[in-house]
Amino acid sequence: SQQGEEDPQALSIQEGENATMNCSYKTSINNLQWYRQNSGRGLVHLILIRSNEREKHSGRLRVTLDTSKKSSSLLITASRAADTASYFCATVPDSNYQLIWGAGTKLIIKP
Amino acid sequence: EPEVTQTPSHQVTQMGQEVILRCVPISNHLYFYWYRQILGQKVEFLVSFYNNEISEKSEIFDDQFSVERPDGSNFTLKIRSTKLEDSAMYFCGDGLSSYNEQFFGPGTRLTVL
Repeated sequence: SQQGEEDPQALSIQEGENATMNCSYKTSINNLQWYRQNSGRGLVHLILIRSNEREKHSGRLRVTLDTSKKSSSLLITASRAADTASYFCATVPDSNYQLIWGAGTKLIIKP
Repeated sequence: EPEVTQTPSHQVTQMGQEVILRCVPISNHLYFYWYRQILGQKVEFLVSFYNNEISEKSEIFDDQFSVERPDGSNFTLKIRSTKLEDSAMYFCGDGLSSYNEQFFGPGTRLTVL
């Protein structure tokens, strides 16, 4: 199944602007996690939101979760050049513990 | 801050050879995972490991794959007879409990020639 599909596939914005990425999923989940990956590098955990939560903040990151629409969004405010990376959502279904990953959004912040 | 570490960072091997990828998880974490990412594709789950046994595995994790936690600190992934299609980035992950954050190492890039 195509659990965890992000859109847009690519996003290019000016430094200082806000970046919003969306994620949709298909099955019932326990939680949803967002990760960042710089080109060819490791997966850095950003934030986890549980199915009974609607919004969560961490620094310049804001994540929302709408379980009725099976969707989540990641907002990065006041973007910086260092935010340039690929961003992935990954869901943990109710039925098991594995992360099911989307294809990611490639974010480019232009200085 | 504790981190997951992985060695080697890059492994080049000939088709048919055995490889062992190594991971040192964060010390108080109890759940361990392997995922892989073929270049340009999604990250895929391979296996989860808890209490010294496999708790879940995907269809990718066939008889050619095995995992072990030989000494209570290292967590290894062995591929017995590598194929060209095993070329990928392999990520070791861990978590404090089953429904908490999963933290990942920097990955091992496996190239099978």
